[in-house]
Amino acid sequence: GQNIDQPTEMTATEGAIVQINCTYQTSGFNGLFWYQQHAGEAPTFLSYNVLDGLEEKGRFSSFLSRSKGYSYLLLKELQMKDSASYLCATSNDYKLSFGAGTTVTVRA
Amino acid sequence: ETGVTQSPTHLIKTRGQQVTLRCSSQSGHNTVSWYQQALGQGPQFIFQYYREEENGRGNFPPRFSGLQFPNYSSELNVNALELDDSALYLCASSPGTGDGKTQYFGPGTRLLVL
Repeated sequence: GQNIDQPTEMTATEGAIVQINCTYQTSGFNGLFWYQQHAGEAPTFLSYNVLDGLEEKGRFSSFLSRSKGYSYLLLKELQMKDSASYLCATSNDYKLSFGAGTTVTVRA
Repeated sequence: ETGVTQSPTHLIKTRGQQVTLRCSSQSGHNTVSWYQQALGQGPQFIFQYYREEENGRGNFPPRFSGLQFPNYSSELNVNALELDDSALYLCASSPGTGDGKTQYFGPGTRLLVL
């Protein structure tokens, strides 16, 4: 089975940095995805990590440690439009298993 | 936008009825996955279709069934609707199945069962 944990909510100020942690215990693991989901909308792809280490993509970076079953998504220079739910998902062959999501609120 | 479309956008049904949801995948994608997302939860995998065959299934009862057509569009059918089936149903297309194939989601169909 899959057990994926991430914090329920986080709040940060515009221009700040926020780190969303995700821990997982899975029966099979190939890689880890992060998706962003605005309220009432579809999840949109942010990043995919298969090897250990940090992947940087503009203001967003994602880190993976396979031995520790741990990942984080780092959001820098926060903007109001970054207020959304962030979903951590493990990949096992054909399917994604999602955590419940972390709602990030960016305040002015 | 991902190029994945779903219809209808919203639907209201009563308990015991049947429903069919539709999904058109992104151009060039031959794989469609369906997910159910309850309010405040992450999406839960229902099943995946690859080249018109079911490629894998999550922990959902047989009253959840699907089809994929030669143009790679797909349908999700749910029979004998229950109140707990009220959710956002998402389809996601990808360029093949297996590791590392990013899934791109459509806008979803919001189903309410009364």
